[in-house]
Amino acid sequence: GAGVSQTPSNKVTEKGKYVELRCDPISGHTALYWYRQSLGQGPEFLIYFQGTGAADDSGLPNDRFFAVRPEGSVSTLKIQRTERGDSAVYLCASSLVGSAADTQYFGPGTRLTVL
Amino acid sequence: AQSVSQHNHHVILSEAASLELGCNYSYGGTVNLFWYVQYPGQHLQLLLKYFSGDPLVKGIKGFEAEFIKSKFSFNLRKPSVQWSDTAEYFCAVNPTGTASKLTFGTGTRLQVTL
Repeated sequence: GAGVSQTPSNKVTEKGKYVELRCDPISGHTALYWYRQSLGQGPEFLIYFQGTGAADDSGLPNDRFFAVRPEGSVSTLKIQRTERGDSAVYLCASSLVGSAADTQYFGPGTRLTVL
Repeated sequence: AQSVSQHNHHVILSEAASLELGCNYSYGGTVNLFWYVQYPGQHLQLLLKYFSGDPLVKGIKGFEAEFIKSKFSFNLRKPSVQWSDTAEYFCAVNPTGTASKLTFGTGTRLQVTL
């Protein structure tokens, strides 16, 4: 079946602008994760959804970052007043039930560049 | 908070050479351990994972990893690499019984030459 998809694949924006990044998880997966990967680093956890609710948002760097998953499927990561330091690849992953034993399946990522 | 160290940042091997990539984690409790791989132009995919039982775990494409609890290590091995193994390899951990967010290492870029 189809894997995790993310749109757009690339996003270039100017400092101070608002951006939305979208993630479509694998059908039937209840858990959804957002990570951020900066150049030369491994993915860094941002937020984890179990169904519609954010079960753990401890990785969000500040209140400019927000994510929603209103129907328990598609998720949107929203970044307000973007800064150059927000430039990174934003990765989405999904897993079947969200247990520690689950495999997380990653999407291709959205490369965000803030000028 | 847990952390993961991958000391080899860039490894260059000839085809048929043996591979061992180091991974050490810091966390006092029980953990689940993963190796993910990212081939050029592709997304992250799972190579293998350890939860419990036999500390020697076998994954896809001939890879294996050994969990040594006393050393807080989970090194990745392959007896004979192929050119197609050229990729970036990430070790990751999450504490058993907690939310399943993963903590990743910084990755090791493997380049296999013909």
